[in-house]
Amino acid sequence: DTGVSQNPRHKITKRGQNVTFRCDPISEHNRLYWYRQTLGQGPEFLTYFQNEAQLEKSRLLSDRFSAERPKGSFSTLEIQRTEQGDSAMYLCASSPEGSPSYEQYFGPGTRLTVT
Amino acid sequence: AQSVTQLGSHVSVSEGALVLLRCNYSSSVPPYLFWYVQYPNQGLQLLLKYTSAATLVKGINGFEAEFKKSETSFHLTKPSAHMRDAAEYFCAVSEGYNTDKLIFGTGTRLQVFP
Repeated sequence: DTGVSQNPRHKITKRGQNVTFRCDPISEHNRLYWYRQTLGQGPEFLTYFQNEAQLEKSRLLSDRFSAERPKGSFSTLEIQRTEQGDSAMYLCASSPEGSPSYEQYFGPGTRLTVT
Repeated sequence: AQSVTQLGSHVSVSEGALVLLRCNYSSSVPPYLFWYVQYPNQGLQLLLKYTSAATLVKGINGFEAEFKKSETSFHLTKPSAHMRDAAEYFCAVSEGYNTDKLIFGTGTRLQVFP
């Protein structure tokens, strides 16, 4: 068990470009979560999946954001037409089941800088 | 709506001193409460969680927290700080009924001086 992995770890992009991040959860974890963390703040929930089904999306997730988990394993988060306000750490987490009794295991995050 | 308030964005203690990090929550239903720690350039790691069992919860690295419904608090404590405890600490709440998403506080940075 290697834990939750995220790629890339760092991404610098110019405003208006599209970016895609990947998250590989712990093997056999059914739930996968995306959070965003800006400097000096706690993580904010974006969306989560039960296997391949996207169960909930935050209002923070504008139309420029899209997340997928096509085969119920890894997930991608795409941001189209990036803005400077998208600069943040994007965290992925996974858990074995959907109960809050189960710990959410976090990856190291992808730090996005939009110039 | 659920929310979490962490009082004190920075806490400084001497090595060996008591650590107290404060967390107050707001929830319309019995909450699930968590403390996570984040070391520089790393993801969040669960310290402990309250899921309506015992009100005093023991976690890893010698930390513990007590759920006090009357005070809507879930403060994190450790009797004796160690240098390696220096990190960012986040309190989080989950409703646990319609969703298991976590609502985090803004965090408390703990500094430990020798």
